Amino acid sequence: QVQLVQSGAEVKKPGASMKVSCKASGYTFTGYYIHWVRQAPGQGLEWMGWINPNSGGTNYAQKFQGRVSVTRDTSIITAYLELSGLRSDDTAVYYCARSSSRGYCSGGSCFPDYWGQGTLVTVSS
Amino acid sequence: DIVMTQSPDSLAVSLGERATINCKSSQSVLYNSNNKNYLAWFQQKPGQPPKLLIYWASTRESGVPDRFSGGGSGTDFTLTISSLQAEDVAVYYCQQYYSSSWTFGQGTKVEIK
Repeated sequence: QVQLVQSGAEVKKPGASMKVSCKASGYTFTGYYIHWVRQAPGQGLEWMGWINPNSGGTNYAQKFQGRVSVTRDTSIITAYLELSGLRSDDTAVYYCARSSSRGYCSGGSCFPDYWGQGTLVTVSS
Repeated sequence: DIVMTQSPDSLAVSLGERATINCKSSQSVLYNSNNKNYLAWFQQKPGQPPKLLIYWASTRESGVPDRFSGGGSGTDFTLTISSLQAEDVAVYYCQQYYSSSWTFGQGTKVEIK
């Protein structure tokens, strides 16, 4: 069965960087884009970016340009989200999600059908 | 970016009654070439990731109870829970995937009256 398993919770100081991993299993890793979405405490869902695990191509939300990097290691079927220059308002649960490839959609422009369990990153001095 | 706006922000419905959530996109998410609306609905319970309920605006995901239904086209969409059950208490989000830069509605909290 398809699973996305994320790394554990982190506590970071302001100005530091975070790196969250998302290990895939149960499907062909290179066949589906991985997106990253975050959710601040009590808030809604905010899209951050995606990676094409096959080519390594990426696309990021304008809001995070210059601070975010999404990478992958196909040898260990894992995607990564890095965010630098952390601020208190980066405190959130970070989710990876697989962009499905059902029928009429493909690539990054498809709905997420599987999500990781989420990783809480707390930014505090 | 495509802005998604849901209404209402919260909704209290009696058990067994109908709940309807609206979602409006700032531009059409209907692809003319295939006549598909690139709109999904999710349910999120505390401490859990979002769960896919509906895609293509009206296609129910496998295993989702048939009391959940989606409708609409272009820029205006609805999620209906025909007979609210206790386990349906959650926050519901609409999402567009017309653009690979996903955007979500702000969420609608559904509670029992």
